[in-house]
Amino acid sequence: SYELTQPLSVSVALGQTGRITCGASNIGSRNVHWYQQKPGQAPVLVMYRDTNRPSGIPERFSGSNSGNTATLTISGAQAGDEADYYCQVWDSSTAVVFGGGTKLTVL
Amino acid sequence: EVQLLESGGGLVQPGGSLTLSCAASGFTFDSYAMSWVRQAPGKGLEWVSTISGNGGSTYYGDSLKGRFTISRDNAKNTLYLQVNRLRAEDTAVYYCAKPILYYYMDVWGKGTTVTVSS
Repeated sequence: SYELTQPLSVSVALGQTGRITCGASNIGSRNVHWYQQKPGQAPVLVMYRDTNRPSGIPERFSGSNSGNTATLTISGAQAGDEADYYCQVWDSSTAVVFGGGTKLTVL
Repeated sequence: EVQLLESGGGLVQPGGSLTLSCAASGFTFDSYAMSWVRQAPGKGLEWVSTISGNGGSTYYGDSLKGRFTISRDNAKNTLYLQVNRLRAEDTAVYYCAKPILYYYMDVWGKGTTVTVSS
């Protein structure tokens, strides 16, 4: 089965740039999607197909995907960005696959 | 506005059964596949199941086949998940979600909580 590896936690200073990675074999050949989940709330799609922001998602969120690593970048992180972030791909054998999630802390 | 509203969660004894519902509004329901995703307490997201727009095709997570049944009633704009022989490890928040071409979920409901305990 296809597995996605995320760091358990990432810290970023207020106003600085934070990066959350999602690793897997040749993930660059797949479309990666990202979700933000705040405590007690449902997930929210913040990036789809590697680099596309849904309507309403701030421009400070960006994405990239190459080789064995996909990255969600938050530029100028704000306190409200503190949340859990999950990457996700679609795999032909296992369908929807989620990464284990990364807790983003804004210091 | 697209909305998904889950219901049917609650406290169930081990070995029991439950049917979750998801009422959809704001979009042409039968034009879209629909999915269930769950999240155990303090854990990550786990895809449970997806059903095609006409209900003719269903897909399940590998570890969940056999006890879970996804279905839909397009006349009622409602998605269902029946879970049998419930186990403690099925305790989770169950989210209804609308996927785009099966590949990713652009809209999520607020979830319904299932607790399996004696």
